[in-house]
Amino acid sequence: GAVVSQHPSRVICKSGTSVKIECRSLDFQATTMFWYRQFPKQSLMLMATSNEGSKATYEQGVEKDKFLINHASLTLSTLTVTSAHPEDSSFYICSARDDGLAGWETQYFGPGTRLLVL
Amino acid sequence: AQTVTQSQPEMSVQEAETVTLSCTYDTSESDYYLFWYKQPPSRQMILVIRQEAYKQQNATENRFSVNFQKAAKSFSLKISDSQLGDAAMYFCAGLKSSGDKLTFGTGTRLAVRP
Repeated sequence: GAVVSQHPSRVICKSGTSVKIECRSLDFQATTMFWYRQFPKQSLMLMATSNEGSKATYEQGVEKDKFLINHASLTLSTLTVTSAHPEDSSFYICSARDDGLAGWETQYFGPGTRLLVL
Repeated sequence: AQTVTQSQPEMSVQEAETVTLSCTYDTSESDYYLFWYKQPPSRQMILVIRQEAYKQQNATENRFSVNFQKAAKSFSLKISDSQLGDAAMYFCAGLKSSGDKLTFGTGTRLAVRP
C-alpha cells in the first residue's frame, strides 16, 4: 500500500515552454501533498504544500507564478513549471500524506521527475 | 524552529557487518515524529523507519533499528547484517506533531563493500 506515482519520469523541453508534472496517490486519499526539488548530491528542498480544494502554500523564495500547483482531487496534484529556463532543470519529487487515521504523519514519496530545460 | 543534523556525509560498511548512522535534532516541541528515509540510486525515497517521540521504546524494522535518545536529541539508525542493496543515501527527518513540513538532514551516503 501507500504508493505514489509521478508522471513523467523524465522530460526534456525547450526554454520558454511549460511543463506539467503529475503526482498521484494510487491506493489512498491525500488531502495534502508536497512538492520538493532536489539538486545533485543535496537534500530535498520543500517548494510548496498542496492542499486539495484550496491554494497551495509556497515556501519562501519559491515563485508561485512560475511553479503553479493544482490539487483538484484527493488523489492528484500537478506542478506546472511555466516558461521553463535552464536553471529550472532539476529533480522534482512529490509526496503525499495518507488521510487515514493511522500513520497520518508519514509522507510517501513518488519516484521523481527529472526535468532538463535546453 | 526544527533543525536536523547529519554529521557524517559518507559512511562505509563491509557486507554482513553492522553500521550506525548518526542524526541529531533540535526542537522546542514536546511531541514530534522522526524518520529515516533511504534514497537509492533510483532516487525513489523509501521510508525505512519512524519513531514517535512520546514512545520510549526504540522502533525496529527487521535489520533496521533506531537508538532514540530524547534527552540528548539523538536519533541514530543501526543497520545490521548489511547488504549490497542497502547502499544508498540516508536522510534523517523530523516532523512536529502539529505541523505539516518534514525537516530533512543533509544526508549520509552509505557504501557497502562486498
